[in-house]
Amino acid sequence: EPEVTQTPSHQVTQMGQEVILRCVPISNHLYFYWYRQILGQKVEFLVSFYNNEISEKSEIFDDQFSVERPDGSNFTLKIRSTKLEDSAMYFCASNVYRGPYEQYFGPGTRLTVT
Amino acid sequence: AQSVAQPEDQVNVAEGNPLTVKCTYSVSGNPYLFWYVQYPNRGLQFLLKYITGDNLVKGSYGFEAEFNKSQTSFHLKKPSALVSDSALYFCAVRALEGTGANNLFFGTGTRLTVIP
Repeated sequence: EPEVTQTPSHQVTQMGQEVILRCVPISNHLYFYWYRQILGQKVEFLVSFYNNEISEKSEIFDDQFSVERPDGSNFTLKIRSTKLEDSAMYFCASNVYRGPYEQYFGPGTRLTVT
Repeated sequence: AQSVAQPEDQVNVAEGNPLTVKCTYSVSGNPYLFWYVQYPNRGLQFLLKYITGDNLVKGSYGFEAEFNKSQTSFHLKKPSALVSDSALYFCAVRALEGTGANNLFFGTGTRLTVIP
């Protein structure tokens, strides 16, 4: 069964450094998402991406964040200058189309900012 | 704006007993409703969804959920709990249209513990 994959599984970085989190969505999916989950809290929407551009973004997704689909398979989240409060589990998700379709989530990347 | 409430942080149930994990939602218009499960150190796994039609929807691993429009609820149920059902359960909603219509809004999660 196809699945969303994410790399790395765990990333440790120093405050102020740039990080890139990588995702490979399911191949025939058209919509891509990033969510984050701060330890012990709920999963929060960051951004959705369709047709090579951002569809929607939350207030969390400020200028420090960017997303890109650099090729036909990868979908990346970049944090330009990490802060301590960026420490969280970041989940990538994808679905076939906008509509009554469930989103399929990857296993997540745990980002620890020290 | 969409929102989801899961009033119970923790639910404990004995193995073999029925379980219920509660969820209420707020959304403009008709909702799409989802349940996801998260096992330790794993991502979110889709369990079931309500889109339209029959208010009782069946999903993976014997789970089902009942959509109640008048009470704006979508409680997750299972007739007979297994120890392996112990996990963190998230209810999520998205609107059919408008701002945020393709994005999921999650509740805070309910930790289910099934006691052998």
